[in-house]
Amino acid sequence: EAAVTQSPRSKVAVTGGKVTLSCHQTNNHDYMYWYRQDTGHGLRLIHYSYVADSTEKGDIPDGYKASRPSQENFSLILELASLSQTAVYFCASSDAGQGAVERLFFGHGTKLSVL
Amino acid sequence: GDSVTQTEGLVTLTEGLPVMLNCTYQTIYSNPFLFWYVQHLNESPRLLLKSFTDNKRTEHQGFHATLHKSSSSFHLQKSSAQLSDSALYYCALSDRYNQGKLIFGQGTKLSIKP
Repeated sequence: EAAVTQSPRSKVAVTGGKVTLSCHQTNNHDYMYWYRQDTGHGLRLIHYSYVADSTEKGDIPDGYKASRPSQENFSLILELASLSQTAVYFCASSDAGQGAVERLFFGHGTKLSVL
Repeated sequence: GDSVTQTEGLVTLTEGLPVMLNCTYQTIYSNPFLFWYVQHLNESPRLLLKSFTDNKRTEHQGFHATLHKSSSSFHLQKSSAQLSDSALYYCALSDRYNQGKLIFGQGTKLSIKP
């Protein structure tokens, strides 16, 4: 089974502080993603990447940066954390067979609380 | 852009009754991939079903769904609900032109009562 690990599992941050969420995959997948989960909004794509040293904006990138230093690692960075960024964050990886995503493998999630 | 719309909010059913969760989608592309993911409490989402073949029923773990391109739908069904089916269900969409993006609906919470 594919493995995606996130750290930390939970974090409390102060408004205006910097937060870095880390993700590591051992699936040898090209694609990695960061989603946030909020009640009533489902899973929304923040950033994604299909190759090391390159990232793409998802549907809600404002206030977030991403970094993909290697195929295995993908970080999400909140330079100035805000209350509205309190959410659960999921990292995922995938192979894009036939050019389309066929399955995402999710990490266990990071619960971020900004106070 | 692409979008997915699901049955809103919370669906509460009695154990043993049939389940149907609605999913419709919008895309300009003719060959979409549709998915159902399930997320149990305190777990991460995992794939339940997927399909890219028009009018073909796909089944897994007692659930089934059929992609109907004519109506842009991919409804999730089960003949008899179990308590263990209580979870959050997401319908999702991707296509080969979307650079590997997977677009999720807002999720439907299914609660099964004894």
